[in-house]
Amino acid sequence: EIVLTQSPDFQSVTPKEKVTITCRASQNIGSSLHWYQQKPDQSPKLLIKYASQSFSGVPSRFSGSGSGTDFTLTINGLETEDAATYYCHQSSNVPRTFGQGTKVEIK
Amino acid sequence: EAQLVESGGGLVTPGGSLRLSCVASDSGFTFRNYNMNWVRQAPGKGLEWVSSISSSSTFIYYADSVKGRFTISRDNGKRSLFLEMDSLRAEDTAIYYCVRDTGGFDYWGQGTLVTVSS
Repeated sequence: EIVLTQSPDFQSVTPKEKVTITCRASQNIGSSLHWYQQKPDQSPKLLIKYASQSFSGVPSRFSGSGSGTDFTLTINGLETEDAATYYCHQSSNVPRTFGQGTKVEIK
Repeated sequence: EAQLVESGGGLVTPGGSLRLSCVASDSGFTFRNYNMNWVRQAPGKGLEWVSSISSSSTFIYYADSVKGRFTISRDNGKRSLFLEMDSLRAEDTAIYYCVRDTGGFDYWGQGTLVTVSS
């Protein structure tokens, strides 16, 4: 099983700041890494697929990078509506696995 | 935009069974062309992949935690996905999401809550 480890677990950020969340895979997964945003009492939403491809309708302040075992989700200019938990997910192998989540709070 | 609507959740006693359903909207979503998944989320916890089924049901996979107890299936003619859950345990308590798979999980239903408790 591929283990995905996100860091940090929690981040408290001021609006307009830049946010960086990392996801490390326990083995090489190429670019088969996807990022989701989940707000309280809502279903998760796809933000970035295949490491760096923005999903339709996602604001341009969200971007992804990385390949192999190390990946990054960046929010350039955090907005208050971005308060949420963010998850990475790999589709390289079965079982499909998720990171433990990173909660982003607005200061 | 794809819409997925789950149903069938509820309260069940340990050892019991439940059948979840998910119906895909027929607007701009050719259900039969897509692999589908179930993903669950225990209260206050992270996301856990449960099971996947390929577009024509040829390939089916399960998480070890549910293998032998859960069965995924689909009816492409009715644009529906199912999860038959047997021998339910307290640790199966979660919101269950029906999810479309294009590598990334691009569309999620609103979820249906399953509570296993005596």
